[in-house]
Amino acid sequence: ETVLTQSPGTLSLSPGERATLSCRASQSISGTDFAWYQQRPGQAPRLLIFGASSRATGIPDRFGGSGSGTDFTLTISRLEPEDFAIYYCQQYGTSPWTFGQGTKVEVK
Amino acid sequence: QVQLQESGPGLVKPSQTLSLTCTVSGGSMNSGSYFWSWIRQPAGKGLEFIGRVYNSGSTNYNPSLKSRVTISVDTSKNQFSLKLNSVTAADTAVYYCASGWSTFDYWGQGALVTVSS
Repeated sequence: ETVLTQSPGTLSLSPGERATLSCRASQSISGTDFAWYQQRPGQAPRLLIFGASSRATGIPDRFGGSGSGTDFTLTISRLEPEDFAIYYCQQYGTSPWTFGQGTKVEVK
Repeated sequence: QVQLQESGPGLVKPSQTLSLTCTVSGGSMNSGSYFWSWIRQPAGKGLEFIGRVYNSGSTNYNPSLKSRVTISVDTSKNQFSLKLNSVTAADTAVYYCASGWSTFDYWGQGALVTVSS
């Protein structure tokens, strides 16, 4: 299976700062079959980005995705209070679909 | 908009079968091209894809669980179900149902299932 490794494990930032989250795949992802999810405490995950760079419906444009092959990035241009959460990457190019272990974005 | 709701026992004894149902509202399961999936998350840990079923009944399972998992669909009731047999404490987790074609676009709120005697 394709293993996804996210870095860093925890990102400590202040509101208004820029967040850059990385995800590296153990093998090249087919096409751009890659997504990012946000999970707030006590809630189900929410789809943010699909196709590596397309925002899901209703997602603010401060969220951006990029990358291809084995290296992908989620960028949050200016952190809002509601953005402090855990973020997961996911690949759907090779069965079984797999997730990264998560990056926690916390308030500094 | 599709809404999903998990239901089922919150406590299962070791070696028994975990059974959960996901009820879909906001539209017919046959009205769109969706896979209906199950994902789980142990406390404080990450997400694990369990498997998915299409409206036709065709399935894909995570190989790590394939020998113990059955996912089925009943479009007449707008429901799909998960059965996981021979459970152990390692199967204790929040179980989510979700839908989407490739990504998981819609999620249920999650159901905590504890495996304990």
